[in-house]
Amino acid sequence: EAGVVQSPRYKIIEKKQPVAFWCNPISGHNTLYWYRQNLGQGPELLIRYENEEAVDDSQLPKDRFSAERLKGVDSTLKIQPAELGDSAVYLCASSSGQTLDTQYFGPGTRLTVL
Amino acid sequence: AQSVTQLGSHVSVSEGALVLLRCNYSSSVPPYLFWYVQYPNQGLQLLLKYTSAATLVKGINGFEAEFKKSETSFHLTKPSAHMSDAAEYFCAVSASSYKLIFGSGTRLLVRP
Repeated sequence: EAGVVQSPRYKIIEKKQPVAFWCNPISGHNTLYWYRQNLGQGPELLIRYENEEAVDDSQLPKDRFSAERLKGVDSTLKIQPAELGDSAVYLCASSSGQTLDTQYFGPGTRLTVL
Repeated sequence: AQSVTQLGSHVSVSEGALVLLRCNYSSSVPPYLFWYVQYPNQGLQLLLKYTSAATLVKGINGFEAEFKKSETSFHLTKPSAHMSDAAEYFCAVSASSYKLIFGSGTRLLVRP
């Protein structure tokens, strides 16, 4: 069974440029998460989807970040415009949505903003 | 509100020695607790989780953790370290299993 797929794995951009990250969850997983992991820190939840609905986006900086999961499968996270402080690893995870089900993480996208 | 404190950003042990990684939590409701491992350039992998059943939880790769409510702790142990255990370990707490609150991580170094 394929795991969570993310692309690109690495991205370097200049500040004020837009950037997008893509995630394909494990097949059949209804719940999808985007996390941000700053250097030397644990991941922090940005947004959680149940199918195509964003059910928790309280930690998403909505002035510059947006996300979508149009068909309830893959998802895109966008930053526009990027700032120096956005440099981090962006992790996608998925789960079946059952209570206490394990969250399975992808390898992440490492973003460097110059 | 919930939070996790991992004592020691780096822990170094010799191969074959006991591994002990410390995690203390704060939670206003009965918590669910998790340990994840992250190898370089990889995503997080679940080692084990506490879900209010047995207080001693066994996980993969020979790791286990004990939930101690009186000490608000959930320390991770392994009797004998292997070189392949070198990685970063994250403790996490949740009230629901959906929103995980992670600690800042402990990097385990294993000396030959």
